[in-house]
Amino acid sequence: GAVVSQHPSRVICKSGTSVKIECRSLDFQATTMFWYRQFPKQSLMLMATSNEGSKATYEQGVEKDKFLINHASLTLSTLTVTSAHPEDSSFYICSATRGTSNYEQFFGPGTRLTVL
Amino acid sequence: AQTVTQSQPEMSVQEAETVTLSCTYDTSESDYYLFWYKQPPSRQMILVIRQEAYKQQNATENRFSVNFQKAAKSFSLKISDSQLGDAAMYFCAYRSRWETSGSRLTFGEGTQLTVNP
Repeated sequence: GAVVSQHPSRVICKSGTSVKIECRSLDFQATTMFWYRQFPKQSLMLMATSNEGSKATYEQGVEKDKFLINHASLTLSTLTVTSAHPEDSSFYICSATRGTSNYEQFFGPGTRLTVL
Repeated sequence: AQTVTQSQPEMSVQEAETVTLSCTYDTSESDYYLFWYKQPPSRQMILVIRQEAYKQQNATENRFSVNFQKAAKSFSLKISDSQLGDAAMYFCAYRSRWETSGSRLTFGEGTQLTVNP
């Protein structure tokens, strides 16, 4: 149990376009979902935390208008990179916690975004 | 704010040998969780082991064990009988126990472990 999926796994887009990444908890209801960004050989950087039905909380330095997060249901959160530029190219990972035993985060497999 | 430090960017070990990865952290809280995550080349984050700060006993999961020194704020991971499949990036992470602090994880910089056959 506790499987998190992400779609797409890889995406290539042109500069100036918007890209949406989906994160789904497949077999549990996620009380909280997290979005991370990871550059090659670096650690995970938390971008934002989202709870179902409420606005996401963004980390300092993360542009909320650039990275739109929608947590529409207890099993789905989406990250939209608006007007993507080459510097937005990165590996994006989501994670989710469940129920009252929320000490553990379950991670999705990640999405590699390449902006040309 | 909490910080997590992994001072070994890279480590290597011979297959079947034992290796220890270091992690230190800084916090003013008395109750929290600590984790070791593994990220293989597939990039999928995998939980290796967790430790609850209020438990004095060191956590163990098969070949993986930790040395938790609360006073020293140290949390090292020992991998025994290393296998080729253990090769990965390992991240140490901290999480506050209290919901008011959120369930966010603070990660260290990571240690790249190579296992030599």
